[in-house]
Amino acid sequence: AQSVTQPDIHITVSEGASLELRCNYSYGATPYLFWYVQSPGQGLQLLLKYFSGDTLVQGIKGFEAEFKRSQSSFNLRKPSVHWSDAAEYFCAVGPTYTGTASKLTFGTGTRLQVTL
Amino acid sequence: EAGVAQSPRYKIIEKRQSVAFWCNPISGHATLYWYQQILGQGPKLLIQFQNNGVVDDSQLPKDRFSAERLKGVDSTLKIQPAKLEDSAVYLCASSSSPWAGTGADTQYFGPGTRLTVL
Repeated sequence: AQSVTQPDIHITVSEGASLELRCNYSYGATPYLFWYVQSPGQGLQLLLKYFSGDTLVQGIKGFEAEFKRSQSSFNLRKPSVHWSDAAEYFCAVGPTYTGTASKLTFGTGTRLQVTL
Repeated sequence: EAGVAQSPRYKIIEKRQSVAFWCNPISGHATLYWYQQILGQGPKLLIQFQNNGVVDDSQLPKDRFSAERLKGVDSTLKIQPAKLEDSAVYLCASSSSPWAGTGADTQYFGPGTRLTVL
């Protein structure tokens, strides 16, 4: 069964500082990987996704993530955090087999706080 | 383009009462998902529809939860009777194909309905 671990429940960074959010997955092969962001009272918004090719993926809002097969990781990064980035971030894994069911498995999330 | 709409945004009920949530997906999206997000956890898929057919309801507590998607557009999720542990945010999402988990598509989420069961 696929699973996702986000080891950091809560992270605080200063505005302008760099950010890295960790994500580790468990899957029998190379899965499809996603990062979503959830602002308070809002639904989830897709930041980026990886399914093949270049292991460094660029997303919206200046975010990027790097897939490392040897470490089963898909960490999210941003070189300079803005106060508006404060939110909850979820990593998710999806199956690569074709079929009618395409269930995403989400991690427990990392809450990002940005100090001014 | 209008996003996924959900109502109500908030609902407070007492245990053993019934409640229903409504979702209107993005126009033309064939696949609709209902997720349960308990505080401090990631979303958990309850049920997935492709058009008006169910393709995955393996995590839906069928003794109390039911969902339907008539005419392959809007959907309702019902809980009857509610328990304290049903307190959560219920998220609806839609995508234009059933292959969202393969990276070939993206799931678009609504704002959710926050349910509090007292």
